[in-house]
Amino acid sequence: GIQVEQSPPDLILQEGANSTLRCNFSDSVNNLQWFHQNPWGQLINLFYIPSGTKQNGRLSATTVATERYSLLYISSSQTTDSGVYFCAVISGAGSYQLTFGKGTKLSVIP
Amino acid sequence: DAGVTQSPTHLIKTRGQQVTLRCSPISGHKSVSWYQQVLGQGPQFIFQYYEKEERGRGNFPDRFSARQFPNYSSELNVNALLLGDSALYLCASSFGGTVNTEAFFGQGTRLTVV
Repeated sequence: GIQVEQSPPDLILQEGANSTLRCNFSDSVNNLQWFHQNPWGQLINLFYIPSGTKQNGRLSATTVATERYSLLYISSSQTTDSGVYFCAVISGAGSYQLTFGKGTKLSVIP
Repeated sequence: DAGVTQSPTHLIKTRGQQVTLRCSPISGHKSVSWYQQVLGQGPQFIFQYYEKEERGRGNFPDRFSARQFPNYSSELNVNALLLGDSALYLCASSFGGTVNTEAFFGQGTRLTVV
């Protein structure tokens, strides 16, 4: 099956700093989503982005499907951005399952 | 509009018991999927249902089963619980049965097996 690798695994930022999270995948994908998991376990949708670039406030994402990677940018980070960020993909004909990476744990300190 | 709702939020069971977890999708969504997330890992796919039919099954033993009802809500059943079944169980809802549709998750059910 498809492999999804996220980097870095852990990231500590000072409030106000910018960061880039990366997601590499081993095969072509039909679907790619970025999620933020808060401390209570809720997965919050950030972007549905199988290709191209999207922006939502301080967050933006780019997926280069031909090169099999996606990037999530967080600008002017806030303490509320802390949590685990997951990339998830659907790949393969007839497959409907999201395959998740192991996540990037982000800690934003005041 | 209500999002994906799961019940219960927390559950403690004893080894060997059986458990049923419930999920109500977003109104208008016809697809429900179940995922298991153990501590420190990303969620792992268990099942997907679309229009009450099983569309996919992950690498989980037959102790795990699920079904979807005419109102598109779903139940996940786990029999003969093991300590290793302790995890956060997440339900995802999406509009259609195609791959290019966005999934939305509930808050999860945290299952502890003792």
